[in-house]
Amino acid sequence: EVQVVESGGGLVQPGGSLRLSCAASEFTVSSNYMSWVRQAPGKGLEWVSVIYSGGSTYYADSVKGRFTISRDNSKNTLYLQMNSLRAEDTAVYFCARVVRGGYYYMDVWGKGTTVTVS
Amino acid sequence: ETVLTQSPGTLSLSPGERATLSCRASQSVSSTYLAWYQQKPGQAPRLLIYGASSRATGIPDRFSGGGSGTDFTLTISRLEPEDFAVYYCQQFGSSLVTFGQGTKLEIK
Repeated sequence: EVQVVESGGGLVQPGGSLRLSCAASEFTVSSNYMSWVRQAPGKGLEWVSVIYSGGSTYYADSVKGRFTISRDNSKNTLYLQMNSLRAEDTAVYFCARVVRGGYYYMDVWGKGTTVTVS
Repeated sequence: ETVLTQSPGTLSLSPGERATLSCRASQSVSSTYLAWYQQKPGQAPRLLIYGASSRATGIPDRFSGGGSGTDFTLTISRLEPEDFAVYYCQQFGSSLVTFGQGTKLEIK
């Protein structure tokens, strides 16, 4: 089954760091665009970052300079390194596969991992 | 950055009724880069519509999308009990992605 599973969330103090992981099954992370999307408690979806198959990376202004998206091809895993965390980064973080090729949408989503900054 | 504004914020309807959800962009969006998602409490978003009007795999034909430029709509022709959820539109442009703030579809 094509799926992604996030891990690494937890409770961290303001100013601290955390690394999220997203393990993919039945497809290759490095051959796809992969994205992180977050959802603060009781709020809507917020796009965080994307890594293209070619390696280019892009970030929302709210996390630029603090978060880094990367992948480990040997582990077929996507990461999000989060530094200088703030209370407003508290959210459920979803990993998603992005479909390109004339379109742009996210077709495979994980169940999310919760990050609490307090 | 393209801002997506969804309306109404909350829509109260009964099963069997027709639902029309709106997504308005602050600047023109390519139709191929407009998608809709459904999210139920405690769950991940689920892709419904991509390319503004194409249904994702397994999505019932009571869901349809349309529009172009700055105005897009998601229509549910006859509401089923499982359709009551929050719906988000999403666009891609200039290497960035934005979501609308969501429309909550609740049972009247």
